[in-house]
Amino acid sequence: EIVLTQSPGTLSLSPGERIILSCRASQSVTSDYLVWYQQKPGQAPRLLIYGASTRATGIPDRFSGSGSGTDFTLTISRLEPEDFAVYYCQSKYTFGQGTKLEIK
Amino acid sequence: EVQLVESGGGLVQPGGSLRLSCAASGFTFSGYWISWVRQAPGKGLEWVANIDGNGVEKNVVHTMNGRFTISRDNARNSVYLQMNSLRAEDTAVYYCTRDAIWGRFDYWGQGTLVTVSS
Repeated sequence: EIVLTQSPGTLSLSPGERIILSCRASQSVTSDYLVWYQQKPGQAPRLLIYGASTRATGIPDRFSGSGSGTDFTLTISRLEPEDFAVYYCQSKYTFGQGTKLEIK
Repeated sequence: EVQLVESGGGLVQPGGSLRLSCAASGFTFSGYWISWVRQAPGKGLEWVANIDGNGVEKNVVHTMNGRFTISRDNARNSVYLQMNSLRAEDTAVYYCTRDAIWGRFDYWGQGTLVTVSS
C-alpha cells in the first residue's frame, strides 16, 4: 500500500511569497494519477492539479505541479490571500495527510 | 452545471445504521464512477468506496468492508452508501465525488455530517 507523505505539515507565510509543497510517495507512482486538491475551512476540496502537472479548469496559473516517481511538488508562485488553505496530494485512492498554509 | 448533493447524515448511536444518498445532475451520470470520501473532524481525507457507471464494479476500503455497501440507481441519478454497525470512529463529513479517472475527483458535493455517539 502506497503512503504519501506531505511536508511541511504547516507553513506560516505572507501574501506575495512563493511556496513549494512536497509530496513524497513510499514507492514509485504513475504521474498520470498524481493529483492535488485545495480545501478551505468549511468547504469541500477543490481539484487543483491532475496528472502531476495539468491545472484543472479555472485554476490560476500561479499554481503549478511537477515531479515524477516518488517526488512531487506543488508550487504557488505568488501567494494570494485566498490561497491560505490546506493542500492534499493524492495518488489513485490514497491521500497525503495535507499541508496547511497559514497567514503569517 | 455539475452538481452533487448529499443527504442522509445525522446523529446515530454506536451499532446503528445510516444510508447516505448523493443526487447528481449536470452530466451523463451513467458514464462516471462515483466515490465517497470522508473526513473526520480536524483530520485529512479518506477514500471510502466507489462504484462504476453501470453499478456492477464496486470497491470498499478494506477497513470498512462488510459494514459499508455502495450502490446506485441510474434512473434516479443517485448513489447510496449504506453504513451498518457504525462506530464512533466513523464520525465524519462524507463527500460524494465524481471520479473522472482513477481517483481524479473533479467534482465534490458539499458533504453530509455523520455523528456516531450515544
